[in-house]
Amino acid sequence: EIVLTQSPGTLSLSPGERATLSCRASQSVSSNFLAWYQHKPGRAPRLLIFGASTRATGIPDRFSGSGSGTDFTLTISRLEPEDFAVYYCQQYGDSFPLFGGGTKVEIK
Amino acid sequence: EVQLVESGGGLVQPGGSLRLSCAASGFIFRSYSMNWVRQAPGKGLEWVSSISSSSSYISYADSVKGRFTISRDDAKNSLFLQMNGLRGEDTAVYYCARNWGGSDFWGQGTPVTVSS
Repeated sequence: EIVLTQSPGTLSLSPGERATLSCRASQSVSSNFLAWYQHKPGRAPRLLIFGASTRATGIPDRFSGSGSGTDFTLTISRLEPEDFAVYYCQQYGDSFPLFGGGTKVEIK
Repeated sequence: EVQLVESGGGLVQPGGSLRLSCAASGFIFRSYSMNWVRQAPGKGLEWVSSISSSSSYISYADSVKGRFTISRDDAKNSLFLQMNGLRGEDTAVYYCARNWGGSDFWGQGTPVTVSS
């Protein structure tokens, strides 16, 4: 099974700043089947990015995904107040679509 | 509009059983694989189980294998998770999710508490 390690664990930033989140896989992710989610307390997780770099329907263009193989990045170009949340990566290319441990983006 | 509504959660004693349901609407349910994902208190998201369309392929996380059973009823647009031998570490909010590009639609979740 592919293990995903996300870093940093917590990111403290101010609105308007750029956020860069990392997701590293223990082995190459098949066909870049890598997704990113936003999760807020009491809410359902929200798909942001699939296929490593394709924004899901309705996702603002300040969210972008990049990377391939074992190293992936989620970038939020300018943080809006509603972007402070926990972000997870997930690989869905094999039989065990495990999640990374998450990165919390908090207000500095 | 795609909707997924979970039900069946609650308080159960260790060793007990629960059956979770997920009612789907707004899409052709039988055409999609489906997932169960959970979040324990203070923890991250954990994939639990997946079932393909037509139930031809099923997989489980090691933490639930042999205790949980995923199933679906395409005639009723429903997904199920039978949970037996429940443990304290199974306490979590359980989400069902449609499998496309990862999981593109999620329900609001149903809470399960395992405690005596």
